[in-house]
Amino acid sequence: DVKVTQSSRYLVKRTGEKVFLECVQDMDHENMFWYRQDPGLGLRLIYFSYDVKMKEKGDIPEGYSVSREKKERFSLILESASTNQTSMYLCASSFSRNIPSNQPQHFGDGTRLSIL
Amino acid sequence: SQELEQSPQSLIVQEGKNLTINCTSSKTLYGLYWYKQKYGEGLIFLMMLQKGGEEKSHEKITAKLDEKKQQSSLHITASQPSHAGIYLCGAGRDDKIIFGKGTRLHILP
Repeated sequence: DVKVTQSSRYLVKRTGEKVFLECVQDMDHENMFWYRQDPGLGLRLIYFSYDVKMKEKGDIPEGYSVSREKKERFSLILESASTNQTSMYLCASSFSRNIPSNQPQHFGDGTRLSIL
Repeated sequence: SQELEQSPQSLIVQEGKNLTINCTSSKTLYGLYWYKQKYGEGLIFLMMLQKGGEEKSHEKITAKLDEKKQQSSLHITASQPSHAGIYLCGAGRDDKIIFGKGTRLHILP
């Protein structure tokens, strides 16, 4: 089974802090994704990556950056946390964009981040 | 407007009853995913449908993609408390998935 591990289930930070959310997958997947989930807005894609050192902006990248130095690890960075970034953050991975058929994404357990 | 619309938004059913959740797309679906999310947790992949008319089952959950590939339904037979949660459909788009906003399912004992 695919295992996607997010470093924290719950996290509380203060406004202005630099926040790191870590995600690791153990299935040699090439694609990795970061979403945030908010009531009434559903899942929104922040950033994604198709390979090491590669990153692509999703629908709501403002205020975030990402890092993918190793294939199995994809980090989400809040450069200067603000209260409107309080949310549930979900990491996902999928096999490869070079395989033509559709592939499911496999998700971690999520990190509930509160910015005070 | 939302590309994927799920209905109903919320559903309360008595344990043992059957139920159906619908997912309608404004575009042709080339890959349709169903996920389940327990409250406060991550998404669990249930199944993927690709061909018009395709039907798949996972335990007591059955999903079907209609022939025109613009709507999918998820049916639960003899619901149990373990079925409670949020069900999300997702449409494959260029190696990404566009998600609906989900259907909250509550099961009454």
